[in-house]
Amino acid sequence: AQKITQTQPGMFVQEKEAVTLDCTYDTSDQSYGLFWYKQPSSGEMIFLIYQGSYDEQNATEGRYSLNFQKARKSANLVISASQLGDSAMYFCAMREGLIGSQGNLIFGKGTKLSVKP
Amino acid sequence: NAGVTQTPKFRILKIGQSMTLQCAQDMNHNYMYWYRQDPGMGLKLIYYSVGAGITDKGEVPNGYNVSRSTTEDFPLRLELAAPSQTSVYFCASTLATGSNQPQHFGDGTRLSIL
Repeated sequence: AQKITQTQPGMFVQEKEAVTLDCTYDTSDQSYGLFWYKQPSSGEMIFLIYQGSYDEQNATEGRYSLNFQKARKSANLVISASQLGDSAMYFCAMREGLIGSQGNLIFGKGTKLSVKP
Repeated sequence: NAGVTQTPKFRILKIGQSMTLQCAQDMNHNYMYWYRQDPGMGLKLIYYSVGAGITDKGEVPNGYNVSRSTTEDFPLRLELAAPSQTSVYFCASTLATGSNQPQHFGDGTRLSIL
């Protein structure tokens, strides 16, 4: 069963506008973490933001925020004031379990974001 | 700050050849991982290690081997390379699991098997 689903293969956004990238997940664990990574065309994986399953508030990191809806099992990434440099692939990933787990990440297939000038 | 260093960055192999992808981290992380990324896909776990001397299989381990003799190094060995192993390989490490500690990734090794 697919554990991380990103339903938007590609997205376009106008520069300076906000954009939401969707992510839904499936787990039976009560404890898990959700991560978003950015992969520019150069290929490296850049960590953006984290949300823990017990965190009561939505995570924010600068222009990035995570819209976490636990009951719906969704963890959407919101990028405010888009910039040309935001054009990249974005991956949602989940880590199941707490301390003592192997800690590997399960990745979605990604969303390619293109920012238009 | 070196972080996670992978070598080589690019490599072309012939079918049946073998090679070792190198990965080193200087952050004293116990947990290390190898992923592969096929075109248009997310990353899939090949092998992981929770500390020196301890390794285990991930989702797609066939055709690969790993070792972890030191905390810093986690090489990935391809034996009898096959076209299906054409992919981008990422090494990652993390300080702790079950927390907000992210995985830190190397820049990847782009491998083509012809």
